[in-house]
Amino acid sequence: TQLLEQSPQFLSIQEGENLTVYCNSSSVFSSLQWYRQEPGEGPVLLVTVVTGGEVKKLKRLTFQFGDARKDSSLHITAAQPGDTGLYLCAGLNLRDDKIIFGKGTRLHILP
Amino acid sequence: NAGVTQTPKFQVLKTGQSMTLQCAQDMNHNSMYWYRQDPGMGLRLIYYSASEGTTDKGEVPNGYNVSRLNKREFSLRLESAAPSQTSVYFCASSEGQGGYGYTFGSGTRLTVV
Repeated sequence: TQLLEQSPQFLSIQEGENLTVYCNSSSVFSSLQWYRQEPGEGPVLLVTVVTGGEVKKLKRLTFQFGDARKDSSLHITAAQPGDTGLYLCAGLNLRDDKIIFGKGTRLHILP
Repeated sequence: NAGVTQTPKFQVLKTGQSMTLQCAQDMNHNSMYWYRQDPGMGLRLIYYSASEGTTDKGEVPNGYNVSRLNKREFSLRLESAAPSQTSVYFCASSEGQGGYGYTFGSGTRLTVV
């Protein structure tokens, strides 16, 4: 079974702190996406990374794709309450062209 | 810019009742998907349609049927609802296999009593 493991499962930090969440697998991915989901809504695409070692920035969010395209990280600088939500990673598996989702990191930023 | 529209937003069914969840996208995407999301289980693929006229089973297809009515619309039918089908259902669409990401609807919260 192909798995995308996300860690930590839960994270609660104070406003203004920095944090990193991770998405790891033993499989190689053609591309990897990060989504944010707020309560009562569907996931919203934040970014797609496609090249090993690629780094993309979206304001205070920095996304990195591992060199071997098996893992990714999301770093948030100076977290704000509006960053609260469920962060999901999803990868397009190179071997079978199927998308798999991780179970997510639930992030809570305390004001 | 509606994106992916799902109806209804909420539904309560009695065990054994049937219903159809509707989904429409206005982005001219070829591929459409139905997922369910349960606590601790993440998003699980029920069925998908890579193009108009084709449908395929995903990870958890039992108890469901789908219809790709045209390029825009993809419906999910529960013929005889069971309490195990209580979940939040999401429709999504993508260009191609989804390697550049999905656009999700806002979900249908279904409770089967």
